[in-house]
Amino acid sequence: QVQLQASGPGLVKPSETLSLTCTISGGSITGYYWSWIRQPPGKGLESIGYIYYSGSTGYNPSLQSRVTISVDTSKSQFSLRLNSVSAADTAVYYCARGSPVFDSWGQGTLVTVSS
Amino acid sequence: EIVMTQSPATLSVSPGERATLSCRASQSVSSNLAWYQQKPGQAPRLLISGASNRATGIPAAFSGSGSGTEFTLTISSLQSEDFAVYYCQQYNNWPLTFGQGTKVEIK
Repeated sequence: QVQLQASGPGLVKPSETLSLTCTISGGSITGYYWSWIRQPPGKGLESIGYIYYSGSTGYNPSLQSRVTISVDTSKSQFSLRLNSVSAADTAVYYCARGSPVFDSWGQGTLVTVSS
Repeated sequence: EIVMTQSPATLSVSPGERATLSCRASQSVSSNLAWYQQKPGQAPRLLISGASNRATGIPAAFSGSGSGTEFTLTISSLQSEDFAVYYCQQYNNWPLTFGQGTKVEIK
């Protein structure tokens, strides 16, 4: 059974860049889409974007100017970079397999934007 | 973007009873709708895709119906482990969008 583990700093300063990595185990990265979704504390879910294992990407237009998703198949990892963060970007960030339907999720990592 | 509206926000149900959750799209999403379950402190879990197709390992107590703009998730007989927040998600149009969730709580 595939497992996903998101990792990265839990605290990011305003205007800086949020960087997270999702490591995949128990399954292959090849042949799948991989996604990032976030959830502000006590709120609902927001799709950030996806990447195919071959590298093609799609981003939520509301975040497109600040987001980059990349993949490293040799490490079975994909990554998220979100530039120029503000308090509004404070959320639990989930990595997941699939797009547009998410059939396996990582446990999520809380990222707080604060000085 | 397509706005997904779920109702009610909170549903109080006794164990063993049926729960019916609604999801409405601001425009047609055909059958491109998924349902997820989220328990406190956990990631969401896929229940249903294609409006009515249960994901692998999901019990038959969960069923989905609808198309176009109106969708329903039914839990036929609530078990203790089913008390959670449920989200619908449309994937007919980009960006993908979720409803705000329905919390199913013990009555």
